[in-house]
Formats: sequence, structure tokens, C-alpha cells
Amino acid sequence: AQSVSQHNHHVILSEAASLELGCNYSYGGTVNLFWYVQYPGQHLQLLLKYFSGDPLVKGIKGFEAEFIKSKFSFNLRKPSVQWSDTAEYFCAVNRGYNQGGKLIFGQGTELSVKP
Amino acid sequence: DVKVTQSSRYLVKRTGEKVFLECVQDMDHENMFWYRQDPGLGLRLIYFSYDVKMKEKGDIPEGYSVSREKKERFSLILESASTNQTSMYLCASSPLGLAGNSGANVLTFGAGSRLTVL
Repeated sequence: AQSVSQHNHHVILSEAASLELGCNYSYGGTVNLFWYVQYPGQHLQLLLKYFSGDPLVKGIKGFEAEFIKSKFSFNLRKPSVQWSDTAEYFCAVNRGYNQGGKLIFGQGTELSVKP
Repeated sequence: DVKVTQSSRYLVKRTGEKVFLECVQDMDHENMFWYRQDPGLGLRLIYFSYDVKMKEKGDIPEGYSVSREKKERFSLILESASTNQTSMYLCASSPLGLAGNSGANVLTFGAGSRLTVL
């Protein structure tokens, strides 16, 4: 069965520190990969997505993720975090061809950024 | 700029009560979904619908049912609420998408309905 694993449950950083959140998935087919973010009190929103092509994907607010097929990974990075990045981050993968929207989510990583 | 609206943000119900969670989207999306969000478990798919009057079970459908009478509306029903259904419920929608359905994987979520069952 497909699965998504996020390595860190809670990450605490100071402002300006660099961020890398790990995400590994198990799925042997053509993947669509996503990072969603949920800011405190707000709805879940798309941060970035990978469908095909350049494995380095850039998203909103300076975030980027790298798809490494050989490692089944899609880690999220940001060179310098801000207090406003405090949120919960979810990695997700699709289930397969013609199974649109039925994403499998990781457990989530809570990021706390200290001012 | 409202796109996916969940009618109730917070609900408190008693064990055995019937609970309706309503979701409406204004993006003319074909696909609609109900996910459940629990700490440490991420989001899990309860039910989904790819068309009006169509519904299919997701990963954790037990204790739930759904209704989709109109394209824009997708309701989640707890026939007899239990304490283990205390959770955050998220409605989402996505377009039909092109061949291969990549676009259909881009979900737009509502704000969520936090249900507490006592």
C-alpha cells in the first residue's frame, strides 16, 4: 500500500535559520507530489506541487522542494525562515492514474519559528 | 474569495446523535472529498465523489455516509455519532483534470469543521 512518511513531528527554529522537512513516499508509479501548509486558524492550502519535469520545484513564500526519484523523497526547503512560517506542513502523494484527488498524506510536521 | 465553504466551524454533539456536515464549493469542480484530520495521523480520506449522485468509499468510511445531490454540494453524515469521531473534518474539491488527472489532484480545502462528540 502507498504511504507517506514525514520524519519530523515538531521542528523548532529561530528566525533566519534554514529549514528542511523530510518526506518519503512509497509508490512505484508516476507520482504527483505536494506540500500543503496550514497556518494557525487558517485552512489547508497548497504550498507547491510536482507533476513532471524539473525535479526542483519552487512554491509560494520562498519554499522549494526537490524530487529525488531514487530516494523516493520530496523534501521541503527554505533558506531562511520567518516567524510567519509557523504552521503545520503536510506532504502528500497521489494514488495512481485516474484517481484524481485521492491523495495520501503524511502525518504532518509542526514548525515553530521563534522570533 | 470564498471557494470551499463548510457551514459549521465548531460543533458539539452527544453520542448517538445524527450529525450533518455541509460543504459547498463555487468553483464548478467535479470532484469533492471529505477528509478527517487527527494529530499524528495527518489527513485520511473518508468518502469522495466524482460526479453528482456518485459516491465512493475512501480509506475510513465506517460510521459515515455522504450525499451529493448537486454538483456544488457534498454532505457528510454521521448516522450515530461516537466519541471516536471527535475530529477535524475537511472538505475539498478539485477539477476533473486532463488525461492522467494531474490537475484533479490539486485540492482546494475548506476551513474545516471541528466536531466534538461527548
